[in-house]
Amino acid sequence: EDQVTQSPEALRLQEGESSSLNCSYTVSGLRGLFWYRQDPGKGPEFLFTLYSAGEEKEKERLKATLTKKESFLHITAPKPEDSATYLCAVQQVDDKIIFGKGTRLHILP
Amino acid sequence: GAGVSQSPRYKVAKRGQDVALRCDPISGHVSLFWYQQALGQGPEFLTYFQNEAQLDKSGLPSDRFFAERPEGSVSTLKIQRTQQEDSAVYLCASSLAGNRAHGYTFGSGTRLTVV
Repeated sequence: EDQVTQSPEALRLQEGESSSLNCSYTVSGLRGLFWYRQDPGKGPEFLFTLYSAGEEKEKERLKATLTKKESFLHITAPKPEDSATYLCAVQQVDDKIIFGKGTRLHILP
Repeated sequence: GAGVSQSPRYKVAKRGQDVALRCDPISGHVSLFWYQQALGQGPEFLTYFQNEAQLDKSGLPSDRFFAERPEGSVSTLKIQRTQQEDSAVYLCASSLAGNRAHGYTFGSGTRLTVV
Protein backbone atom coordinates (compact mmCIF):
# COMPACT_ATOMS: atom_id res chain seq x y z
CA GLU A 1 0.00 0.00 0.00
CA ASP A 2 1.30 3.43 -0.94
CA GLN A 3 1.96 5.56 2.11
CA VAL A 4 3.78 8.59 3.46
CA THR A 5 5.06 8.63 7.04
CA GLN A 6 6.35 11.72 8.80
CA SER A 7 8.38 11.89 11.98
CA PRO A 8 8.41 13.13 14.59
CA GLU A 9 4.71 13.92 15.07
CA ALA A 10 5.65 16.98 17.10
CA LEU A 11 8.87 18.84 17.79
CA ARG A 12 9.68 21.64 20.21
CA LEU A 13 12.91 23.56 19.68
CA GLN A 14 14.53 26.58 21.21
CA GLU A 15 15.01 29.53 18.89
CA GLY A 16 18.26 28.96 16.99
CA GLU A 17 18.29 25.19 17.60
CA SER A 18 18.62 23.48 14.22
CA SER A 19 16.92 20.15 13.47
CA SER A 20 15.47 17.97 10.72
CA LEU A 21 12.03 16.59 9.92
CA ASN A 22 11.71 13.24 8.17
CA CYS A 23 9.33 12.01 5.48
CA SER A 24 9.58 8.39 4.38
CA TYR A 25 7.50 7.08 1.52
CA THR A 26 6.55 3.91 -0.29
CA VAL A 27 4.79 4.55 -3.59
CA SER A 28 4.56 2.61 -6.82
CA GLY A 29 5.94 5.48 -8.86
CA LEU A 30 7.10 8.92 -7.78
CA ARG A 31 6.48 11.96 -9.97
CA GLY A 32 7.40 14.45 -7.29
CA LEU A 33 7.65 15.05 -3.56
CA PHE A 34 6.25 18.22 -2.04
CA TRP A 35 6.76 20.03 1.24
CA TYR A 36 4.06 22.33 2.52
CA ARG A 37 3.67 24.54 5.56
CA GLN A 38 0.27 24.81 7.24
CA ASP A 39 -0.67 27.43 9.81
CA PRO A 40 -3.74 26.96 12.04
CA GLY A 41 -6.99 27.67 10.21
CA LYS A 42 -5.32 27.96 6.82
CA GLY A 43 -4.71 25.75 3.84
CA PRO A 44 -1.26 24.29 3.15
CA GLU A 45 1.26 26.71 1.65
CA PHE A 46 3.67 25.34 -0.96
CA LEU A 47 7.38 25.28 -0.05
CA PHE A 48 9.29 22.91 -2.36
CA THR A 49 9.03 20.26 -5.07
CA LEU A 50 11.74 17.60 -5.35
CA TYR A 51 11.85 15.26 -8.34
CA SER A 52 14.77 12.88 -8.02
CA ALA A 53 17.16 11.38 -5.50
CA GLY A 54 20.04 13.69 -4.67
CA GLU A 55 18.09 16.84 -5.34
CA GLU A 56 18.15 19.69 -2.81
CA LYS A 57 16.13 22.92 -2.57
CA GLU A 58 16.62 25.85 -0.20
CA LYS A 59 14.50 28.74 0.95
CA GLU A 60 15.60 31.01 3.76
CA ARG A 61 16.17 28.78 6.83
CA LEU A 62 14.73 25.67 5.17
CA LYS A 63 16.46 23.07 3.03
CA ALA A 64 14.77 19.99 1.59
CA THR A 65 16.63 16.91 0.41
CA LEU A 66 15.47 13.70 -1.28
CA THR A 67 16.67 10.10 -1.41
CA LYS A 68 14.98 7.10 -3.00
CA LYS A 69 13.04 6.34 0.17
CA GLU A 70 12.84 9.53 2.20
CA SER A 71 13.06 13.28 2.31
CA PHE A 72 14.36 15.57 5.00
CA LEU A 73 13.39 19.13 5.78
CA HIS A 74 16.31 20.76 7.55
CA ILE A 75 15.60 23.87 9.61
CA THR A 76 18.63 26.00 10.42
CA ALA A 77 18.55 28.48 13.32
CA PRO A 78 14.74 28.56 13.44
CA LYS A 79 12.74 31.53 14.63
CA PRO A 80 9.35 31.53 16.42
CA GLU A 81 7.64 32.47 13.15
CA ASP A 82 8.74 29.10 11.73
CA SER A 83 6.27 27.43 14.09
CA ALA A 84 3.69 25.56 11.99
CA THR A 85 2.75 22.09 10.81
CA TYR A 86 4.99 20.86 8.00
CA LEU A 87 3.38 18.45 5.55
CA CYS A 88 5.07 16.13 3.11
CA ALA A 89 3.21 14.83 0.06
CA VAL A 90 4.10 12.55 -2.84
CA GLN A 91 2.62 12.60 -6.31
CA GLN A 92 2.17 9.22 -7.96
CA VAL A 93 2.38 8.52 -11.69
CA ASP A 94 -1.43 8.76 -11.92
CA ASP A 95 -1.15 12.33 -10.52
CA LYS A 96 -2.78 11.35 -7.23
CA ILE A 97 -1.15 13.14 -4.28
CA ILE A 98 -0.81 11.45 -0.91
CA PHE A 99 -0.05 13.47 2.22
CA GLY A 100 1.62 12.47 5.44
CA LYS A 101 0.08 13.43 8.77
CA GLY A 102 2.54 16.24 9.30
CA THR A 103 5.03 17.35 11.93
CA ARG A 104 3.89 20.06 14.35
CA LEU A 105 6.87 22.31 14.92
CA HIS A 106 6.97 24.74 17.82
CA ILE A 107 9.88 27.16 18.18
CA LEU A 108 10.26 28.66 21.64
CA PRO A 109 11.62 32.22 21.91
CA GLY B 1 -8.79 36.06 -8.28
CA ALA B 2 -5.26 35.69 -7.04
CA GLY B 3 -5.87 32.55 -5.03
CA VAL B 4 -8.16 29.58 -4.57
CA SER B 5 -11.42 30.67 -2.97
CA GLN B 6 -13.64 28.35 -0.96
CA SER B 7 -17.08 29.02 0.43
CA PRO B 8 -18.58 28.94 2.89
CA ARG B 9 -15.69 29.30 5.29
CA TYR B 10 -17.66 27.57 8.04
CA LYS B 11 -20.74 25.37 7.83
CA VAL B 12 -22.75 23.84 10.63
CA ALA B 13 -25.16 21.17 9.47
CA LYS B 14 -27.67 19.07 11.34
CA ARG B 15 -27.19 15.34 10.93
CA GLY B 16 -29.06 14.21 7.84
CA GLN B 17 -28.88 17.57 6.11
CA ASP B 18 -27.38 17.93 2.62
CA VAL B 19 -24.51 20.42 2.14
CA ALA B 20 -22.71 21.91 -0.87
CA LEU B 21 -19.18 23.25 -0.67
CA ARG B 22 -17.83 25.50 -3.40
CA CYS B 23 -14.32 25.92 -4.80
CA ASP B 24 -13.24 28.70 -7.17
CA PRO B 25 -9.79 27.73 -8.49
CA ILE B 26 -7.23 30.11 -9.88
CA SER B 27 -8.27 31.18 -13.37
CA GLY B 28 -6.77 28.92 -16.01
CA HIS B 29 -5.83 26.14 -13.62
CA VAL B 30 -6.67 22.83 -15.21
CA SER B 31 -6.16 20.45 -12.29
CA LEU B 32 -8.40 20.56 -9.22
CA PHE B 33 -8.25 18.39 -6.13
CA TRP B 34 -10.53 17.97 -3.11
CA TYR B 35 -9.12 16.84 0.23
CA GLN B 36 -10.63 16.08 3.63
CA GLN B 37 -8.58 17.03 6.69
CA ALA B 38 -9.59 15.80 10.13
CA LEU B 39 -8.27 17.58 13.20
CA GLY B 40 -4.58 16.89 13.72
CA GLN B 41 -4.29 14.83 10.55
CA GLY B 42 -2.86 15.38 7.10
CA PRO B 43 -5.18 16.00 4.15
CA GLU B 44 -6.80 12.86 2.75
CA PHE B 45 -7.41 12.67 -1.00
CA LEU B 46 -11.05 12.68 -2.09
CA THR B 47 -11.19 13.33 -5.83
CA TYR B 48 -9.35 14.90 -8.77
CA PHE B 49 -10.48 16.75 -11.89
CA GLN B 50 -8.67 17.71 -15.03
CA ASN B 51 -10.83 20.37 -16.65
CA GLU B 52 -14.37 19.02 -16.37
CA ALA B 53 -13.34 15.37 -16.31
CA GLN B 54 -13.30 13.63 -12.97
CA LEU B 55 -10.27 11.39 -13.38
CA ASP B 56 -10.15 9.85 -9.93
CA LYS B 57 -12.83 9.62 -7.26
CA SER B 58 -11.36 6.73 -5.36
CA GLY B 59 -11.04 8.74 -2.14
CA LEU B 60 -14.71 9.61 -1.76
CA PRO B 61 -15.67 7.80 1.46
CA SER B 62 -19.19 6.82 0.45
CA ASP B 63 -21.88 7.30 -2.17
CA ARG B 64 -23.14 10.23 -0.09
CA PHE B 65 -20.22 12.25 -1.45
CA PHE B 66 -20.43 13.69 -4.93
CA ALA B 67 -18.23 16.23 -6.74
CA GLU B 68 -18.68 18.04 -10.02
CA ARG B 69 -16.92 20.61 -12.18
CA PRO B 70 -19.29 21.01 -15.13
CA GLU B 71 -17.50 23.83 -16.97
CA GLY B 72 -13.96 23.05 -15.96
CA SER B 73 -13.64 25.92 -13.51
CA VAL B 74 -15.78 26.13 -10.36
CA SER B 75 -16.21 22.85 -8.50
CA THR B 76 -18.80 21.78 -5.95
CA LEU B 77 -18.46 19.02 -3.38
CA LYS B 78 -21.84 17.79 -2.22
CA ILE B 79 -22.44 15.65 0.84
CA GLN B 80 -25.86 14.10 1.24
CA ARG B 81 -27.41 13.04 4.55
CA THR B 82 -24.45 14.32 6.55
CA GLN B 83 -23.14 12.23 9.45
CA GLN B 84 -21.03 13.29 12.43
CA GLU B 85 -17.99 11.54 10.98
CA ASP B 86 -18.16 13.95 8.03
CA SER B 87 -17.05 16.78 10.33
CA ALA B 88 -13.70 17.99 8.98
CA VAL B 89 -12.05 20.72 6.97
CA TYR B 90 -12.56 20.27 3.24
CA LEU B 91 -9.69 21.67 1.19
CA CYS B 92 -9.57 22.44 -2.50
CA ALA B 93 -6.34 22.82 -4.47
CA SER B 94 -5.64 23.74 -8.08
CA SER B 95 -2.72 23.94 -10.48
CA LEU B 96 -1.78 24.37 -14.11
CA ALA B 97 -1.57 20.99 -15.79
CA GLY B 98 1.76 19.35 -15.13
CA ASN B 99 3.03 22.35 -13.19
CA ARG B 100 4.58 20.42 -10.35
CA ALA B 101 7.38 22.93 -10.00
CA HIS B 102 5.09 25.33 -8.17
CA GLY B 103 3.09 22.74 -6.34
CA TYR B 104 -0.61 23.09 -5.89
CA THR B 105 -2.32 26.17 -4.49
CA PHE B 106 -4.72 25.44 -1.68
CA GLY B 107 -7.71 27.39 -0.50
CA SER B 108 -8.29 28.05 3.19
CA GLY B 109 -10.89 25.31 3.34
CA THR B 110 -14.45 24.91 4.55
CA ARG B 111 -14.79 23.73 8.13
CA LEU B 112 -17.85 21.48 8.29
CA THR B 113 -19.34 20.63 11.67
CA VAL B 114 -22.19 18.13 11.76
CA VAL B 115 -24.27 18.29 14.94
